[in-house]
Amino acid sequence: QKEVEQNSGPLSVPEGAIASLNCTYSDRVSQSFFWYRQYSGKSPELIMSIYSNGDKEDGRFTAQLNKASQYVSLLIRDSQPSDSATYLCAVSPSNAGGTSYGKLTFGQGTILTVHP
Amino acid sequence: DARVTQTPRDKVTEMGQEVTMRCQPILGHNTVFWYRQTMMQGLELLAYFRNRAPLDDSGMPKDRFSAEMPDATLATLKIQPSEPRDSAVYFCASGGTSWNGEQFFGPGTRLTVL
Repeated sequence: QKEVEQNSGPLSVPEGAIASLNCTYSDRVSQSFFWYRQYSGKSPELIMSIYSNGDKEDGRFTAQLNKASQYVSLLIRDSQPSDSATYLCAVSPSNAGGTSYGKLTFGQGTILTVHP
Repeated sequence: DARVTQTPRDKVTEMGQEVTMRCQPILGHNTVFWYRQTMMQGLELLAYFRNRAPLDDSGMPKDRFSAEMPDATLATLKIQPSEPRDSAVYFCASGGTSWNGEQFFGPGTRLTVL
């Protein structure tokens, strides 16, 4: 079992719809969760961080975390063609003192295509 | 404009040659990571440093790869000798002192070994 799993897609949604991207992780001690967006030929760009159970909203993006289910998701509302990219889920463990080790484990990424 | 910079952006070399990639982390960041990305393997952590000290290089082939931080503003990744299977995009990322796990990536070095 991979440590961080994502549906590779491609996920295709029409412009204006909600895109839902999902990620599961295997390490129960994981404490920090991130979503990166990567356009073709570019580097990963951090778009969301979440550390506590529940929802975190930032503009059109909402990250959702459920540690009991070891599940983190990203919702993109009012999807735009410019949102078409690969979305990478990343997970980081923490030591007993709560300090992140800093090592991120990335999923393989979900390709999102938003069509006009 | 705080960004991670990497040089060179593209490198084409022949098998057996030495390759050196350089990274300048965001000023004030004390944690530096080296990743490799390929279509098959995705994004893999090779090594990382905190306050210039290597913390983990378990993802790096030890016989040919080496990573160093000569000073706080420069991290290097060397491959000697290079092989065609090393062809990939190599990313450097840095994280700040108020550690919350966030990492910021540089533009990457696209390496092609012929």
